[in-house]
Amino acid sequence: AQSVAQPEDQVNVAEGNPLTVKCTYSVSGNPYLFWYVQYPNRGLQFLLKYITGDNLVKGSYGFEAEFNKSQTSFHLKKPSALVSDSALYFCAVSPWAAGNKLTFGGGTRVLVKP
Amino acid sequence: NAGVTQTPKFQVLKTGQSMTLQCAQDMNHEYMSWYRQDPGMGLRLIHYSVGAGITDQGEVPNGYNVSRSTTEDFPLRLLSAAPSQTSVYFCASSYFPLDSGAYEQYFGPGTRLTVT
Repeated sequence: AQSVAQPEDQVNVAEGNPLTVKCTYSVSGNPYLFWYVQYPNRGLQFLLKYITGDNLVKGSYGFEAEFNKSQTSFHLKKPSALVSDSALYFCAVSPWAAGNKLTFGGGTRVLVKP
Repeated sequence: NAGVTQTPKFQVLKTGQSMTLQCAQDMNHEYMSWYRQDPGMGLRLIHYSVGAGITDQGEVPNGYNVSRSTTEDFPLRLLSAAPSQTSVYFCASSYFPLDSGAYEQYFGPGTRLTVT
């Protein structure tokens, strides 16, 4: 069975500084990997996904993520954080054959301070 | 496009009561799913459907029923509510890959359910 770990419950960063949210995964075979963001009292919004190809994936709102197969990681990054990036971030994985059946990590709360 | 809509937004039930959470999408997506969100546990898949008339269980299906009579609607039924079902419920939809691949899912705004 697949699993996702987000080791940090919360990440604090000053506005303008780089932001990194960590994610490691376990899955049989090749993975599909996703990042979603949840703003207060809202549903999840898609940020980016890795299917195959280039290990560096660019997504919405200036976010990017790097797929590292040897470390089974898919960390989310943003070069310069904004206060409006404060939200709950979820990493999710789906095994190659399972299409849309996602397993989510526990989430990481990001707080960007002015 | 309204996207994915869910009703009600909030609901309080007593133990043993039943209810149906409604979900509808207007994007002609084949795939629809229900998740529950609990603090520190992320989202867990309850049931999913790959098309009208086809449903299957996810990770935590006990105590819930689903049906899919149309492409647009995917209601979730709680048969006999229990306090352990207190949670936030999200419906999601997406295209379904014909071969290998995975599509991003579109989530509804959620239903906050409290069972006393």
